[in-house]
Amino acid sequence: DGGITQSPKYLFRKEGQNVTLSCEQNLNHDAMYWYRQDPGQGLRLIYYSQIVNDFQKGDIAEGYSVSREKKESFPLTVTSAQKNPTAFYLCASSIFTDGYGYTFGSGTRLTVV
Amino acid sequence: GQQVMQIPQYQHVQEGEDFTTYCNSSTTLSNIQWYKQRPGGHPVFLIQLVKSGEVKKQKRLTFQFGEAKKNSSLHITATQTTDVGTYFCAVNTGNQFYFGTGTSLTVIP
Repeated sequence: DGGITQSPKYLFRKEGQNVTLSCEQNLNHDAMYWYRQDPGQGLRLIYYSQIVNDFQKGDIAEGYSVSREKKESFPLTVTSAQKNPTAFYLCASSIFTDGYGYTFGSGTRLTVV
Repeated sequence: GQQVMQIPQYQHVQEGEDFTTYCNSSTTLSNIQWYKQRPGGHPVFLIQLVKSGEVKKQKRLTFQFGEAKKNSSLHITATQTTDVGTYFCAVNTGNQFYFGTGTSLTVIP
């Protein structure tokens, strides 16, 4: 079955450590996105990528970095510069860059202690 | 970024009652999407509306796009406990969709 896989589901890190969240899709989608969701809040865009080797900052890119070396993969690194990294992170993909129905992964819940 | 207001933020209904959530924008929208996120889950795409005044139905769910393409609504008839979750609208900003803050629906059996 086609879909988006995010791993791990739960992640615990100590403050000051960088951590990389995995996102893989086998839907052959061009565009991929990373969102952050805090309790009781909506989704805020961190980064997005329309094609391989290209990505753009979203509304809250500070303290995060991404890469898009393969069409299927869009990993997100939460760096120590991110002041409040504990959150639920969602990866999504879509066929067209205007988002004709995003497909989301099941998310990674990151807790930094 | 794009400003889109979604109301109400929370809604508690008795099972069998109707429910409506609204999404309002200050600018004209090219299209709008709706998503549902179950508690502990991830958002799932429900529908996209494109045309002015468009109305689409999915079983007990009715989606409407305003005539001026600045607002949209999602109406659920006779809610069931399976309808529990947060409903998000998402508006096209060119390169990506901007999500509203969502309406959290609780259905009381």
